[in-house]
Amino acid sequence: DAGVIQSPRHEVTEMGQEVTLRCKPISGHNSLFWYRQTMMRGLELLIYFNNNVPIDDSGMPEDRFSAKMPNASFSTLKIQPSEPRDSAVYFCASSFPGYHSYNEQFFGPGTRLTVL
Amino acid sequence: SQQGEEDPQALSIQEGENATMNCSYKTSINNLQWYRQNSGRGLVHLILIRSNEREKHSGRLRVTLDTSKKSSSLLITASRAADTASYFCATQRASGSRLTFGEGTQLTVNP
Repeated sequence: DAGVIQSPRHEVTEMGQEVTLRCKPISGHNSLFWYRQTMMRGLELLIYFNNNVPIDDSGMPEDRFSAKMPNASFSTLKIQPSEPRDSAVYFCASSFPGYHSYNEQFFGPGTRLTVL
Repeated sequence: SQQGEEDPQALSIQEGENATMNCSYKTSINNLQWYRQNSGRGLVHLILIRSNEREKHSGRLRVTLDTSKKSSSLLITASRAADTASYFCATQRASGSRLTFGEGTQLTVNP
């Protein structure tokens, strides 16, 4: 398996533009997580899905952020309009609950977003 | 605030020495996990310890968990330069729930 796939790996955009980040989880995994990592705030969970349904979006900073998971193999995180303070590395991770539901998460390589 | 807090924030040692990192948390947990992050990469799962376990080994890694003190430690024995990375603890309060990550310990192993 190729692991969790994220695209693009790097994104540079100007303030006010729409940004869409993409994630393909590991096949067979039914939980998907979006994280944001910055030096100041560390690793923050933005939202996670179980079986394509959003379970907890309390970490989504504001209405400018939205996430979708239209099927088990694809998710998007959209920022519209983007602002310089959104600059960060965004990670997608997936997991599959085992027999005892002790879930390790598998992370993608991340998307480094720079908003000018 | 972060559920897990790692200590120290940064650690620099010589190759061959042991490295110990600590993690404290605030609420009851189902399990605690340790992850490693190399510079510019995603996190990689290292080891998981359940709330009813006290110690676990995996290769050169040894993890302990003290639920009465709400703390865990990660010991890397006979460190190598390739162990240089950030190490994060993460707690899970219930099966299938979210993981909450600490702020990480930056480990540097000098050759």
